[in-house]
Amino acid sequence: EAGVVQSPRYKIIEKKQPVAFWCNPISGHNTLYWYLQNLGQGPELLIRYENEEAVDDSQLPKDRFSAERLKGVDSTLKIQPAELGDSAVYLCASSRTGDNEQFFGPGTRLTVL
Amino acid sequence: AQSVTQPDIHITVSEGASLELRCNYSYGATPYLFWYVQSPGQGLQLLLKYFSGDTLVQGIKGFEAEFKRSQSSFNLRKPSVHWSDAAEYFCARDQYGGSQGNLIFGKGTKLSVKP
Repeated sequence: EAGVVQSPRYKIIEKKQPVAFWCNPISGHNTLYWYLQNLGQGPELLIRYENEEAVDDSQLPKDRFSAERLKGVDSTLKIQPAELGDSAVYLCASSRTGDNEQFFGPGTRLTVL
Repeated sequence: AQSVTQPDIHITVSEGASLELRCNYSYGATPYLFWYVQSPGQGLQLLLKYFSGDTLVQGIKGFEAEFKRSQSSFNLRKPSVHWSDAAEYFCARDQYGGSQGNLIFGKGTKLSVKP
């Protein structure tokens, strides 16, 4: 069984530029999560999807962050415009609906210069 | 709001020695508790979880954890550490309770292993 796939693994951009991260969850996992992990910190939830519906986006900074999961499978997280403080690792995770066990991807490390 | 505290930022143990990583969670209805491990450049891997029942939980890679409601703790243990256990360990609990899946993570404990 393939794990959660994320791309790119690394991204370096200048501030004010847009950036997008892509996630492909484990097949059959209807629940998808995006987390932000700052250096030296634990992951913090940004958004949770059940199929194509964002059921919890209360932690997503909506002025510059957006996410979509149009067909209920792959998901994209976007930042526009990026700020220096957005430098972090962005993790995607998936799980079966109603199952607390989340499977994490390797993350995308974003550096904003 | 729910919270998870890992008091130790960094721990160093000798290979073959025993290990205990501490985790305290904020009080709430029966928590769903987890321990994850993260190796450099990798995603998080679930070591073990506790939902209910036996308070001593066995996980992968020889790890175990004990749920103590009276102390609001869920400490991770391993009797004999291997060099490959060097990584960062995160304790987590459910945010809302039940099976909704949102997790609150501690800040992590980095484990170094001396030869």
